[in-house]
Amino acid sequence: SQQGEEDPQALSIQEGENATMNCSYKTSINNLQWYRQNSGRGLVHLILIRSNEREKHSGRLRVTLDTSKKSSSLLITASRAADTASYFCATARRAAGNKLTFGGGTRVLVKP
Amino acid sequence: EAQVTQNPRYLITVTGKKLTVTCSQNMNHEYMSWYRQDPGLGLRQIYYSMNVEVTDKGDVPEGYKVSRKEKRNFPLILESPSPNQTSLYFCASTLASPDTGELFFGEGSRLTVL
Repeated sequence: SQQGEEDPQALSIQEGENATMNCSYKTSINNLQWYRQNSGRGLVHLILIRSNEREKHSGRLRVTLDTSKKSSSLLITASRAADTASYFCATARRAAGNKLTFGGGTRVLVKP
Repeated sequence: EAQVTQNPRYLITVTGKKLTVTCSQNMNHEYMSWYRQDPGLGLRQIYYSMNVEVTDKGDVPEGYKVSRKEKRNFPLILESPSPNQTSLYFCASTLASPDTGELFFGEGSRLTVL
């Protein structure tokens, strides 16, 4: 099974609303990263949060990390149609730092 | 422009016909990796390389080979492709390790094996 599991699998919102997606993982990590993928294209890095950090911001993105619950959340505020994409969390596990393991992703549709 | 370049972007081939997907990065990154993406299975790592002449298996290495003779190039070789290798393939790189930095991805290579 995958190290990271995103929830929900799909999300549909109106432009201007906030989008929240969650990621749960199984083993201790060094960092957790979020990526965006537009349909069939290469993944683009959004944000990296280290295991000793609890929250991080980048523009309209806010990421939280709770290592006690082994979970992270990605919040996109004031969403735009251009935010329509799949979002993936990825973990660099403490026991396997040379590997970045991806979850199954959350498909986000932002309706204009 | 900093980028990871994959070729070909699209390929249809037949079972057993050897093929190579090339990957090149111009960022002087030490770490390079190959992933495959399949519906419902997410991205799975095939092989990775920490530096020149250093390669290691990922989670799904069967049926694939790689080499790292130069820092910038990391080709993926399918010696005898089979239909279950039909997939979308991504090459990615980072400066040292995913432990410390983000991955930069290529645009993907969509492979169909008939």
